[in-house]
Amino acid sequence: DAKTTQPPSMDCAEGRAANLPCNHSTISGNEYVYWYRQIHSQGPQYIIHGLKNNETNEMASLIITEDRKSSTLILPHATLRDTAVYYCIVRDFYNQGGKLIFGQGTELSVKP
Amino acid sequence: GAGVSQSPRYKVTKRGQDVALRCDPISGHVSLYWYRQALGQGPEFLTYFNYEAQQDKSGLPNDRFSAERPEGSISTLTIQRTEQRDSAMYRCASSSTPWQVSVISNQPQHFGDGTRLSIL
Repeated sequence: DAKTTQPPSMDCAEGRAANLPCNHSTISGNEYVYWYRQIHSQGPQYIIHGLKNNETNEMASLIITEDRKSSTLILPHATLRDTAVYYCIVRDFYNQGGKLIFGQGTELSVKP
Repeated sequence: GAGVSQSPRYKVTKRGQDVALRCDPISGHVSLYWYRQALGQGPEFLTYFNYEAQQDKSGLPNDRFSAERPEGSISTLTIQRTEQRDSAMYRCASSSTPWQVSVISNQPQHFGDGTRLSIL
């Protein structure tokens, strides 16, 4: 079972920052937070991951709270092409191996 | 460069037939994963390989499902005696390093566009 809780849907205006929350209150010390997105019928696309420090790459920023029980994915300037389902995944390498366990995700709609 | 390639893109078959789904990972990628995705749901893990070794098959629903990767490159997911409930999108992903190293080296899984399987 997925260890994360996400809102089922969110809207965001084009050009504004999209802030997608994720709750993972039962996360343990060796578990990473991963974000993937899936645009329409395409395969999931990796966005970013982190353990406890905030992370930033060319796609997004990941803010993890100090207690690691929640995180926020930030798309700084959302475009229409960012409309997708966003999945927050807690990944335990030591007990789950390489597999990703997807939940329901958040359907983000970026509107003009 | 070429991404993960899956074939066929669409497969329609009658109940009771066997089907074989092919995955050609990104060249040089060590790890290969199979997932199944129902409409409106996130992908569900089936099995994965490091090189030719099947590391975890805990997600395979029953013994009608099997997978192999004999030479550590192309993989085949086989479903025997198909049933209507097997209808789904089957997705393959690959990663350049084994999962243990991926934690440190930040190597994500790259997904293919999937095979849409429909059982009549």
